[in-house]
Amino acid sequence: ELKVEQNPLFLSMQEGKNYTIYCNYSTTSDRLYWYRQDPGKSLESLFVLLSNGAVKQEGRLMASLDTKARLSTLHITAAVHDLSATYFCAVVSGNQFYFGTGTSLTVIP
Amino acid sequence: NAGVTQTPKFRVLKTGQSMTLLCAQDMNHEYMYWYRQDPGMGLRLIHYSVGEGTTAKGEVPDGYNVSRLKKQNFLLGLESAAPSQTSVYFCASSYSTGELFFGEGSRLTVL
Repeated sequence: ELKVEQNPLFLSMQEGKNYTIYCNYSTTSDRLYWYRQDPGKSLESLFVLLSNGAVKQEGRLMASLDTKARLSTLHITAAVHDLSATYFCAVVSGNQFYFGTGTSLTVIP
Repeated sequence: NAGVTQTPKFRVLKTGQSMTLLCAQDMNHEYMYWYRQDPGMGLRLIHYSVGEGTTAKGEVPDGYNVSRLKKQNFLLGLESAAPSQTSVYFCASSYSTGELFFGEGSRLTVL
C-alpha cells in the first residue's frame, strides 16, 4: 500500500517569510496533486505534477516534483494571511488517490 | 454549475441506526470516490467506483457499503452506525485519474 507523508503537520509563520512543505511517498506514481482546504470547507485543487522535474507556480505558491526521490515540495514565498489553510498532497497509484495527513498553515500578521 | 453535491450536509445518528449519504455529480465523470476525514489522519478512501455498476474497496471499507446504479450518483451506506464512524465524509469525482472534484462534505456524528 502506498504511504504518503507530509511534514510539517503544523506550520506557523510570519507574513513575509518563506517556507517549504514536504511530501514523501513510498512507491512510484505517475502524478501528484496539491490541494488546499479552508476550515470547514471542501478541498480545491492547486497543482498537478506529471513528470520528474515538473514545476508549477501560482502566485506565492510553487510546487515541484522529484520522482526519483519520491518527493514533492510546496514552497511558499513571502507568506500572506490569505494563505492560511491546510494543504494536502495526493499521489495517484492505479485508480486510487492517496492523501498525505495535511499541513495546517497559519500565517501570522 | 452544481459540480459535486452531497446530501445531507449534517446528520446525527444513534449507535446502531442506519443511513445513506448521497453523492451526485453533473460532470459526466466515470470515477467517483468516498473519503472520510478525521483530525490528524488526512483523507482515507472508503470505497470507489470506476464506472456505473462497479465498486471497489478502499483503505477503510469496513462498516460501509456503496452502490453506483447510475453514473451520476454514488451512495454510501452505513448499516449499523458506530461512534468510530463519526467523521466528515467527502465525495469526489474525476475523469479517470485526473483532477478530483470534491463535494462540500457531510458531517456525521454517531452518539
